[in-house]
Amino acid sequence: RKEVEQDPGPFNVPEGATVAFNCTYSNSASQSFFWYRQDCRKEPKLLMSVYSSGNEDGRFTAQLNRASQYISLLIRDSKLSDSATYLCVVNHPNYGQNFVFGPGTRLSVLP
Amino acid sequence: ETGVTQSPTHLIKTRGQQVTLRCSSQSGHNTVSWYQQALGQGPQFIFQYYREEENGRGNFPPRFSGLQFPNYSSELNVNALELDDSALYLCASSLTGFTGELFFGEGSRLTVL
Repeated sequence: RKEVEQDPGPFNVPEGATVAFNCTYSNSASQSFFWYRQDCRKEPKLLMSVYSSGNEDGRFTAQLNRASQYISLLIRDSKLSDSATYLCVVNHPNYGQNFVFGPGTRLSVLP
Repeated sequence: ETGVTQSPTHLIKTRGQQVTLRCSSQSGHNTVSWYQQALGQGPQFIFQYYREEENGRGNFPPRFSGLQFPNYSSELNVNALELDDSALYLCASSLTGFTGELFFGEGSRLTVL
């Protein structure tokens, strides 16, 4: 099993749509969780951290289910500028607690 | 702009050669992580350096090695290049390495022929 798995995508949605991305991680000892965003031919950038109680940042909502080892990202009212690849990131005890990235899910928001 | 700079931005090598990639971390950051990103995939963790010591390593063979210098800049060295080493190599700096945000450079794109 891969350390971090994500919906394969791509997701093509119209502007204004709500879209949800799913992520699962393999190691129950992981403690830190993030969503990063990577624009085409650019470096990844932190979108938001994911907290146990769930957290929201504007149109973005992240949820964590430790029992299921599952993380989600919800984007409401999609904008054209949301088009990017979304990367699920988890710290991994086998790698000295360093961050392991999922394969990413590509989102295209269409006019 | 993250303040993390990488060089060179692009390079072409042939199988069996060796390559050195360089990274200058953001001011004040003492931790540097290296990732390999193949086309269409997520970044794969290679290793991290903290205060000049390797501080965690991913599933990469020993021909991938690194250094961190007293000014916290870092090098990634790859020996005996293989075709599958063709990828974007990303350097990220951070304050703590475990809980801090990773600030990435724009990467070095390596092509192995």
